[in-house]
Amino acid sequence: DGGITQSPKYLFRKEGQNVTLSCEQNLNHDAMYWYRQDPGQGLRLIYYSQIVNDFQKGDIAEGYSVSREKKESFPLTVTSAQKNPTAFYLCASSIFVVSSYEQYFGPGTRLTVT
Amino acid sequence: AQTVTQSQPEMSVQEAETVTLSCTYDTSESDYYLFWYKQPPSRQMILVIRQEAYKQQNATENRFSVNFQKAAKSFSLKISDSQLGDAAMYFCAYRSGSGGSNYKLTFGKGTLLTVNP
Repeated sequence: DGGITQSPKYLFRKEGQNVTLSCEQNLNHDAMYWYRQDPGQGLRLIYYSQIVNDFQKGDIAEGYSVSREKKESFPLTVTSAQKNPTAFYLCASSIFVVSSYEQYFGPGTRLTVT
Repeated sequence: AQTVTQSQPEMSVQEAETVTLSCTYDTSESDYYLFWYKQPPSRQMILVIRQEAYKQQNATENRFSVNFQKAAKSFSLKISDSQLGDAAMYFCAYRSGSGGSNYKLTFGKGTLLTVNP
């Protein structure tokens, strides 16, 4: 079945450590996105990538980094510079053409930093 | 920058009744898309319905329909014959139609819908 996988579902880290969240899709989508969800805040865009080896900052990119070496994969690294890393992180993908507009979401990763 | 506002943090409805969730947005663009996403307790985001701004006809998907008022920049979601499985957080989202770097979604803060048996 086609879809987006994110692993792990729950992730725990100590403050000061970098951590990488995985996102893989087999939908053959061009574009991929990372969102952060906090209680009462909705979803906010961290980074997005429209093609391999290219990505742009979203609204809250500080303290995060990404790479897009393969079309299927878009890992997100939460660095120690991120002041409040504890949150629910959602990865999404979409076909990158004007006429198509739906984003498909993965199941998310809950990151807890103590 | 576009903004999306959901003025109802929480709503409740009796099973089999109808409920309407509100959404307003601010944009200077004429070409855009609007969406309602559902996030049940599993936290999986599910697309409920979408509306293209250039279409005057309101979108419908089974028990879900929208009231799209372009001039008023309003995009409400009506759920008819509410079911227990409709209980979830509902997010309104906006996407520019102008392309380029604007394919991102801008979300409202969500409305938590409770369905009472």
